[in-house]
Amino acid sequence: DIVMTQSPLSLAVTPGASASISCRSSQSLRHNDGYNYLDWFLQKPGQSPQLLIYFGSDRASGVPDRFSGSGSGTDFTLTISRVEAEDVGVYYCMQALQTPWTFGQGTKVEVK
Amino acid sequence: QVQLVQSGAAVKKPGASVTIACKASGYTFTTYYIHWVRQAPGQGLEWLGIINPSDAYTKYAQKFQGRLTLTGDTSTSTVFLELSSLRSEDTAVYYCARDLILAAGNDFDYWGQGTLVTVSS
Repeated sequence: DIVMTQSPLSLAVTPGASASISCRSSQSLRHNDGYNYLDWFLQKPGQSPQLLIYFGSDRASGVPDRFSGSGSGTDFTLTISRVEAEDVGVYYCMQALQTPWTFGQGTKVEVK
Repeated sequence: QVQLVQSGAAVKKPGASVTIACKASGYTFTTYYIHWVRQAPGQGLEWLGIINPSDAYTKYAQKFQGRLTLTGDTSTSTVFLELSSLRSEDTAVYYCARDLILAAGNDFDYWGQGTLVTVSS
């Protein structure tokens, strides 16, 4: 199975500042089609997860451009620019390259 | 609008089975896979399995082989998860999520609201 490792596991951010979350995979997530099969999700308190980023850097429909994804192969980063209070929750990366789909441990983001 | 609506919470005894429904609406049911993911209390997300509602193809996480069964009913646009031989460690919120069959990317774009399964004697 592909192991996904996130860091940090928690983060406290001042409103308006930026935050970055790292996700590393135990093997490359780059498919033959050239895409990286890496998603980012946000799970707000008491809610189901919601898709933020797919293919490592493509924003899902309706996701603010404050959220951006970067990286390739085994190293990926989610950056939240101009953090807002509504961005609190747990962020997960997930690999969709091969079964079983696997998630990172999650990064809890708090807004100070 | 797209919706995945799951059945309500369940309390089961160890050794019993549970069935959870995930009813889809607002899109063509047979054009999306349905994944199942669970989250134990205070824990992260764990993928259980996937079903293609158009041909009933399934793939399960090895950890759940023999205990997990996914089925679909195209007449009601509903997918079912059955987990047997329940133990306390199966206590979790179970989610369904869709994934486009004919194209990669933008997967898990809609999720159900979650179903809490509590396993307790």
